[in-house]
Amino acid sequence: EVQLVESGGGLVQPGGSLRLSCAASGFTFSNSWMTWVRQAPGKGLEWVANIKEDGNRNYYVDSVKGRFTISRDNAKNSLYLQMNSLRAEDTGVYYCLRDHGDHGPDSWGQGTLVTVSS
Amino acid sequence: DIQMTQSPSSLSASVGDRVTITCRASQGISNYLAWYQQKPGKVPKLLIYAASTLQSGVPSRFSGSGSGTDFTLTISSLQPEDVATYYCQKYNNIPPHPFGQGTRLEIK
Repeated sequence: EVQLVESGGGLVQPGGSLRLSCAASGFTFSNSWMTWVRQAPGKGLEWVANIKEDGNRNYYVDSVKGRFTISRDNAKNSLYLQMNSLRAEDTGVYYCLRDHGDHGPDSWGQGTLVTVSS
Repeated sequence: DIQMTQSPSSLSASVGDRVTITCRASQGISNYLAWYQQKPGKVPKLLIYAASTLQSGVPSRFSGSGSGTDFTLTISSLQPEDVATYYCQKYNNIPPHPFGQGTRLEIK
C-alpha cells in the first residue's frame, strides 16, 4: 500500500523559512516523479512543484519560483520542499503526491499545515 | 502555460439526478486529464485518470469523457455521499500541472 507522510509544517513569520518532508513507502520511490500541491484555507487546490525520478529536473508554479526548492533523497525514500521568504499567501495545507505516469497523481499524503503569520 | 477552466463553479441537484461538470484546457492536452473528489475536511481522492479511466474502487456511476481541450465528468445518478468539491487537473507532459478552480456539488 502506498503511504505518504508529510511533516515539518507549523507557524512561521513572514520572511521566514520552513522545510517540509514527505516519507514515502509501499512503492519504488526512485521510479516516480513526485509533486507538492497546496490548498489555502477555504480555497482550491494549487499545484506547486514536481521533481523527476532522479532529481535532475524540477518545475515550479510561478508564484514560488526563486523562493521554494523541491528535492529528494532516493536512498531515504523522502521528498522535501524548502520554503524561503515565506508570505501570508503561502499559508495552507501542503500535500505530497506520487505521480504514477499515465495513471496520474494517484496517491496523496494527509497533508501538513503551514501558517505564515506574525 | 496551460490554464484549466471548470464549470459550473457550484451546482445543486437532487438525489438520482444526472450531473455533468465540464473542464476546458486552454491548449490541447491529449487525454492527460484527471478528476478528483474532495469531501469537506478530507484529502482529495483520484476518481478518473486518462480522461475516462475509472480509478479502482470508484463507483461506476462516475464516468469521464473528452480529449484535447474539452472534458466532462458525469455522475449518472447522484447519491448523498457524492456531496463534495470536484477538481480537474492536467498531468504528464510539460509542467506546470494546474487544477481547475473546482465545482462544489450540493444536494437540493
